[in-house]
Amino acid sequence: SQQGEEDPQALSIQEGENATMNCSYKTSINNLQWYRQNSGRGLVHLILIRSNEREKHSGRLRVTLDTSKKSSSLLITASRAADTASYFCATALEAAGNKLTFGGGTRVLVKP
Amino acid sequence: SQTIHQWPATLVQPVGSPLSLECTVEGTSNPNLYWYRQAAGRGLQLLFYSVGIGQISSEVPQNLSASRPQDRQFILSSKKLLLSDSGFYLCARRWQQNTEAFFGQGTRLTVV
Repeated sequence: SQQGEEDPQALSIQEGENATMNCSYKTSINNLQWYRQNSGRGLVHLILIRSNEREKHSGRLRVTLDTSKKSSSLLITASRAADTASYFCATALEAAGNKLTFGGGTRVLVKP
Repeated sequence: SQTIHQWPATLVQPVGSPLSLECTVEGTSNPNLYWYRQAAGRGLQLLFYSVGIGQISSEVPQNLSASRPQDRQFILSSKKLLLSDSGFYLCARRWQQNTEAFFGQGTRLTVV
């Protein structure tokens, strides 16, 4: 089974609204990363949060990490139609830092 | 530069034919290299990763293999393709463990 699992699988919102998606994982990690994928393209890195960090911001993106619950959230504020994409979390395991495993992703549709 | 070259962009191959997908990367020497496969609308499945020349870790038993003949070259191969090998294949690099990954644009393989 996947190390990381995103929730929800799909999300549809209006432009200007916030979008929140969650990621849960099973094994202790060194860091957790969020990526974006436009349809049929490669993934683009958004944010990396280390296991000793609790929150990180980048522009309209806010990521939280709760290692006690083994979960993370990605918040996109004031969404735009261009934010329409799939978003994935990925974990680098504490026991195997060279591995990078991905969850199933959240498909976000931002309607203009 | 974090440029990753992946080709071809699309490929249609008959069942039972061989496969060779090549990924070459630019930038820092001795990167970690990865092959992922993505089924339509799904997450990324880690197939192989490599921390150095000739060093390959296999994550999923299957009829695929990987090789790293040079520091910046990672090759995914199969002797005989199956229908189930169809998917979107992505190559990625990290300059060391616990850092973000950079992805190529992917190869969409259809086995017919």
